This record gives sequence, structure tokens and C-alpha cells, in this order.
Amino acid sequence: EAQVTQNPRYLITVTGKKLTVTCSQNMNHEYMSWYRQDPGLGLRQIYYSMNVEVTDKGDVPEGYKVSRKEKRNFPLILESPSPNQTSLYFCASSLSTDTYSYEQYFGPGTRLTVT
Amino acid sequence: QKEVEQNSGPLSVPEGAIASLNCTYSDRVSQSFFWYRQYSGKSPELIMSIYSNGDKEDGRFTAQLNKASQYVSLLIRDSQPSDSATYLCASEEGHAGGTSYGKLTFGQGTILTVHP
Repeated sequence: EAQVTQNPRYLITVTGKKLTVTCSQNMNHEYMSWYRQDPGLGLRQIYYSMNVEVTDKGDVPEGYKVSRKEKRNFPLILESPSPNQTSLYFCASSLSTDTYSYEQYFGPGTRLTVT
Repeated sequence: QKEVEQNSGPLSVPEGAIASLNCTYSDRVSQSFFWYRQYSGKSPELIMSIYSNGDKEDGRFTAQLNKASQYVSLLIRDSQPSDSATYLCASEEGHAGGTSYGKLTFGQGTILTVHP
């Protein structure tokens, strides 16, 4: 089954404790992206990756890191989480082309609480 | 900062009616536009993409794009209670020469309720 998977689905952690949220897709998609969703603020893009070893900042990259060492995986790293990073996180992927691009398929989401 | 604005909700329509969802965007050179549906507690699901001016129909859904007015809409005909969800409009940051930047901006969403 074609899908985007995220782990963990739920995570409660404490301020300053490094964590990684994994994202994997089995569709051979070139493009992957991370979003956070907050009430009243909608979906905001954190980082995106056009291909392996190519990443760029979205609208809210502060406090996050990403890496794209292989096509199928795009982990999101919070080096020192803070309470304002409590949010619902989505990973997405798409088969980008030069002309028609970014019809994105979303993972199930990771609900992160930082206390 | 590029912006995508959606008509404020919530929107409530009776079953069988047409639901009209609207969206404006600030990036004049945006080329790609998307409508996603998000059920409560679930992830967004792509329902329509549109790249050219005019209408694009897919079943009960019709997306309309007017680049001159920087306006995108989604019509849902014969609305069903199962259409009750939050609808998200998104645009891709404009690009020139066919090279895509990959940066998407989402609107805040419009909550649609279809009542029997």
C-alpha cells in the first residue's frame, strides 16, 4: 500500500530533551515536507526537501532540523524542544515534476507535547 | 510572506445543496493550487488540484481558478453529511521558467457542516 508513515504518533516529552520524529514514504517520491498544525494558525511548512541531500526552510524552521540522506526518509529533529513546539506535526511527500508538482500525500500525524 | 486567505466559517449547508468555498492568494506568480479535505483528527487529503484558469471538475467537486483576481474556489454539488470536514486551500510559491520552489502556503481552513 502506498503510504507515508510517521513515528511516533504520540509523544510527550520534557523541555530540552532531544527527539526525532521519523517519516518514511514507499512511493519513490522526490519531494518531502514537514508541517505543523496549530489551532487558529493552520498548516505551516517547517522544512521541505526537493530530493536527496537538498533541503530548504519553510515558514517556521526555527528550532527544527531535518536531513535527507535517502529518498524514502525525512526525519524531523528537535534538538532542544520547548513548550511552544507543542503541536500536531505532519509529514508529506509528492512526486514533483517541473510543471505539475506538489500534489502532496500526508502521513497520519504526530501529536507532540512538550512540558 | 505569501498569504492564502479562506472565507471565514463555519459554513453550514443542507444535504443536497451546493457548498461554495473560497480562497484568495497574495502571490501573483503562483501557478499551482490545491484543495485538501481534513476530517477531525485526521490528516489532510488531496481532493483537487488546479493549474490553469477556468474550471476543473471531478465528480461532485469543481475547482475554479481566476489568476487575474487571485481567486480559487471549490464547489461541492449535492453535498452529503460525509462532506462535513475542514477544507484547506493551498498555493505553491510562484516560480519562473518551470522550476518549482516546493514551498507551499496553506489557508487556515473553512469548516463545512452538511446537515441532513
